[in-house]
Amino acid sequence: GAVVSQHPSRVICKSGTSVKIECRSLDFQATTMFWYRQFPKQSLMLMATSNEGSKATYEQGVEKDKFLINHASLTLSTLTVTSAHPEDSSFYICSAADPNEKLFFGSGTQLSVL
Amino acid sequence: GQQLNQSPQSMFIQEGEDVSMNCTSSSIFNTWLWYKQDPGEGPVLLIALYKAGELTSNGRLTAQFGITRKDSFLNISASIPSDVGIYFCAGQLIYGGSQGNLIFGKGTKLSVKP
Repeated sequence: GAVVSQHPSRVICKSGTSVKIECRSLDFQATTMFWYRQFPKQSLMLMATSNEGSKATYEQGVEKDKFLINHASLTLSTLTVTSAHPEDSSFYICSAADPNEKLFFGSGTQLSVL
Repeated sequence: GQQLNQSPQSMFIQEGEDVSMNCTSSSIFNTWLWYKQDPGEGPVLLIALYKAGELTSNGRLTAQFGITRKDSFLNISASIPSDVGIYFCAGQLIYGGSQGNLIFGKGTKLSVKP
């Protein structure tokens, strides 16, 4: 089946630094990818929709300057958490839509900001 | 905005018992999806439902898309220890554009006692 690779799986960083998370569709091209945030024991909350070749669409309340999204190719979207702070610590998950419009999820990235 | 009410929030059952969980919505969805998430991992799709009234099975799992298109249930028969995890329902409006994303329920945590 389709595979979405997300990297890194875990990252620990100091407050004020930036962290980049990659989401790759390994065996299909994805014009649209989605980024979610999940707090402990909570559901997934959509942060933004990443569109290849155009600007991402952010959900209400999500700071676009804080969470930079780049979808430069049909197989790669990146989420950069800029000037990370402890409150940004969370589990981040991406998903990609295959040509049949079915969504496949990455394995997630656990971000811990010290 | 749209909300999904998923119940129960948690279940603690004996191995071999059947499990039932459901989701209801105030809005109509075109697609209902059921996912399982293990700790530290992204959600994995279990069953996808595309038509009102559709009843679909995947091994010991059975899910139905409600006639009103505002609800769905997931049943697990003869539970086994590896069924442990968090189960999420998700609804999808229309794929594409700003309504293409998923709306997730808050999850049902399943614990199975051997």
